[in-house]
Amino acid sequence: DTGVSQNPRHKITKRGQNVTFRCDPISEHNRLYWYRQTLGQGPEFLTYFQNEAQLEKSRLLSDRFSAERPKGSFSTLEIQRTEQGDSAMYLCASSWVQDNSPLHFGNGTRLTVT
Amino acid sequence: AQSVTQPDIHITVSEGASLELRCNYSYGATPYLFWYVQSPGQGLQLLLKYFSGDTLVQGIKGFEAEFKRSQSSFNLRKPSVHWSDAAEYFCAVGARGNKLVFGAGTILRVKS
Repeated sequence: DTGVSQNPRHKITKRGQNVTFRCDPISEHNRLYWYRQTLGQGPEFLTYFQNEAQLEKSRLLSDRFSAERPKGSFSTLEIQRTEQGDSAMYLCASSWVQDNSPLHFGNGTRLTVT
Repeated sequence: AQSVTQPDIHITVSEGASLELRCNYSYGATPYLFWYVQSPGQGLQLLLKYFSGDTLVQGIKGFEAEFKRSQSSFNLRKPSVHWSDAAEYFCAVGARGNKLVFGAGTILRVKS
C-alpha cells in the first residue's frame, strides 16, 4: 500500500490559464474522489468515479472543471480559464466500493491563482 | 441532506490534559461517522470510524469517540493530549457512494 499520490504538490498559475492535476489512487481501490478545501473549511465533495465511470458531480463543479479516469486507475482534474476563486487545496481520495469503506486521502495539490 | 456541525473552531488544551471535540450530524438513516486529522499542508488521516455495534469506538493515537443517537453526536475524546496532537480535526458523515460530508473542522492547539 503506497498510499494515494497527487501531483503536483503546488501549482501557481495566472488567471485565465488552464491547469491539470493528477491523482494515483491505491491500486486495489475501485472508487476515486475529488474534494476541494478552502482555508478554514472542511473538504467539499466535487466528484467521484467507480472504476472509469464518473458517477456523481457536485454542483460546485462548474463547466470549467472536468475530471477523467480513463482506464479506471489514475485520474486527472482539469480547470480551464482559472479564476482567483479557484485557489484552494484539491484533495484526491480512494476507497473500496463497499459503502462503509473509509476514504484514504492524498496530500493534495495546492493551487494559487494570481 | 446530510450535514455536520463542529461548534468549536479553535480549542486550546494543556499538554497532558483531557480533550473532547464536539461533532453533531444530520442524517436520515443510520450514519457512517468518521473522524479525520489534518496536519498543515497535508492530507487527511483517518482516526476512527463508526458503522454499527458498540457505540464507543477506539481509534489510532489513543483517540476514541462515542456515538449518541439521541443527541445526534459523535464526539472525539483523548484522555491525555500530547504536543504532537496539535492539528485540525474533521468530523464527517458518510453518504451514498461513500461520499463524505465534512464539518468545518476544529483546530487544536496544545500548550506546553
